[in-house]
Amino acid sequence: ETGVTQTPRHLVMGMTNKKSLKCEQHLGHNAMYWYKQSAKKPLELMFVYNFKEQTENNSVPSRFSPECPNSSHLFLHLHTLQPEDSALYLCASSQGAGGYGYTFGSGTRLTVV
Amino acid sequence: AQRVTQPEKLLSVFKGAPVELKCNYSYSGSPELFWYVQYSRQRLQLLLRHISRESIKGFTADLNKGETSFHLKKPFAQEEDSAMYYCALSGLGRGSTLGRLYFGRGTQLTVWP
Repeated sequence: ETGVTQTPRHLVMGMTNKKSLKCEQHLGHNAMYWYKQSAKKPLELMFVYNFKEQTENNSVPSRFSPECPNSSHLFLHLHTLQPEDSALYLCASSQGAGGYGYTFGSGTRLTVV
Repeated sequence: AQRVTQPEKLLSVFKGAPVELKCNYSYSGSPELFWYVQYSRQRLQLLLRHISRESIKGFTADLNKGETSFHLKKPFAQEEDSAMYYCALSGLGRGSTLGRLYFGRGTQLTVWP
């Protein structure tokens, strides 16, 4: 699959579990992002990585831990989540200052039980 | 502070009718504006950006700096236009992060047959 690929597509986890979401892009973009999309709120920016360096943490709880080993891969490590963390987690990438817009992945539908 | 406002959460029109999805923004610098669309069970994707001055799927949007608006218009709506539409802003002014997009809450458009 070209573009931005996210795995898994669906994830159900208990509150004591540890899991990771993966995002991969083959577009040569240098910036990657994690967004949270829930039913009752607008798209919420969580983290921004530019050239593998985290440039923004938008007051995200520490139970969410991002990792960006290189410009093509982005992870979101999850531990001790709460039911209210259930949402669609979207990864996106962009080239440069984002003037060409983002390319989004299909997202991971996370359910915390 | 940057802000994108989409005043209509839901919008319904009949097939063949004109449609306008409203977007207003506040930003201290020179913004770049985008419209994103999310069809049912598909990923969020870029529809158009103001800098291109393009028409995609019959949709156009004009940036009005005086009114700080970037409304999305189509003269004759089609059933396949039914989707969630997000207005987004990117900028390089004070307080903005490189490449960051600020999204509105979205407008769910339904086109009835």
